[in-house]
Amino acid sequence: QLHLQESGPGLVRPSETLSLTCAVSGGSINSGPHYWGWLRQSPEKGLEWIATHYHIGEPNYNPSLRSRVIISLDPSKNQFSLRLTSVTVADTSIYYCARMSTTGWTKYTFDIWGQGAMVTVSA
Amino acid sequence: DIQMTQSPSSVSASVGDRVTITCRASQDIRTWLVWYQQKPGKAPKVLIYAASSLQSGVPPRFSGSGSGTDFTLTLSSLQPDDFATYFCQQAYSLPLTFGGGTKVEIK
Repeated sequence: QLHLQESGPGLVRPSETLSLTCAVSGGSINSGPHYWGWLRQSPEKGLEWIATHYHIGEPNYNPSLRSRVIISLDPSKNQFSLRLTSVTVADTSIYYCARMSTTGWTKYTFDIWGQGAMVTVSA
Repeated sequence: DIQMTQSPSSVSASVGDRVTITCRASQDIRTWLVWYQQKPGKAPKVLIYAASSLQSGVPPRFSGSGSGTDFTLTLSSLQPDDFATYFCQQAYSLPLTFGGGTKVEIK
């Protein structure tokens, strides 16, 4: 049974970098055919897709965040990470890691999610 | 970006009621539409993909329909476990976008 678990600081100062890691157990991030991604949710912006990455090729980013985001995979640790630079209070959200299907009619469906990590941006 | 608009934003209903939630896309997305259910403090869970295909393990009282720009999620007979917030997501093109959510509350 695949399980995803987010970890990282719950508080980040404005202008600093938010870093989160998603540990994957019960399956390999290197085996395909799934993408691995990050989303966030806040009362102000609702659910927002941030980025997704396959185990080969280039990642995909939400253009609204592209200049500040990096998603990376670490197959040796079976985990993937998110870095969001120059954060502001508007980046305060629950951050979810998730698996995204890429095949057939389930394309672009987030079928397995982590429990979520609350990140607050505050001085 | 494709804008997804859900209505209503909230609905009050009783156990056994039929509930319908609507999602409208700002452009034609064919049947590339996903519905999720989210309970407080939990991550979203897939209910329906491709507008009308039931995810494995989801009860058949949930159904989806629609194509193009207009879609519907129907709960045929509301159960206590169904009180939650429901979101639609377009799976047609990047960037992936979500509707604002519909909260189903107990009347």
